Amino acid sequence: EPEVTQTPSHQVTQMGQEVILRCVPISNHLYFYWYRQILGQKVEFLVSFYNNEISEKSEIFDDQFSVERPDGSNFTLKIRSTKLEDSAMYFCASRTSGGKETQYFGPGTRLLVL
Amino acid sequence: DAKTTQPNSMESNEEEPVHLPCNHSTISGTDYIHWYRQLPSQGPEYVIHGLTSNVNNRMASLAIAEDRKSSTLILHRATLRDAAVYYCILRRGNTDKLIFGTGTRLQVFP
Repeated sequence: EPEVTQTPSHQVTQMGQEVILRCVPISNHLYFYWYRQILGQKVEFLVSFYNNEISEKSEIFDDQFSVERPDGSNFTLKIRSTKLEDSAMYFCASRTSGGKETQYFGPGTRLLVL
Repeated sequence: DAKTTQPNSMESNEEEPVHLPCNHSTISGTDYIHWYRQLPSQGPEYVIHGLTSNVNNRMASLAIAEDRKSSTLILHRATLRDAAVYYCILRRGNTDKLIFGTGTRLQVFP
């Protein structure tokens, strides 16, 4: 069964450094998402992306964040200057162009900012 | 965004049915009811969704109250693998972002 993959599984970085989290969505999917989950807290929507454009973003997704689909398979989340509070599990998700019912989530990247 | 209310935790024995309730009294006519679950150390996983009618799939059933102000996710025979946090989510029809609450942590005992 096809699945969303994410790399790396864990990343440790120093405050102020840039990080890029990578996702490979399911191959025929056209809609892509990033969510995050701070330890012990709710899963939070960050951004949705379709047709090489951001469709919707949350208040969390400020100028420090950007997303890109650099080629036909990868979808990336960049954090330009990481803060301690960016430490979280970051989930990528994708769905087909059909109904909006099913988003398929990846296993997540655990980001720790020191 | 309309709010959902779920019990913090529930318990079940293996092979018994489980009914997970969700209240959403402020639901609007265009809100879809989604259920996702999150197994330990994994990403969320789609379970089922509906708008007005009850729904069945291979994982579960969704019973929606006639006034749509509450719904119940039914796992017909719980297994140990069903131990997870279950999220009831209302998604407005004109958006596909999912707004997760705190969910119900389901424990399944052998």
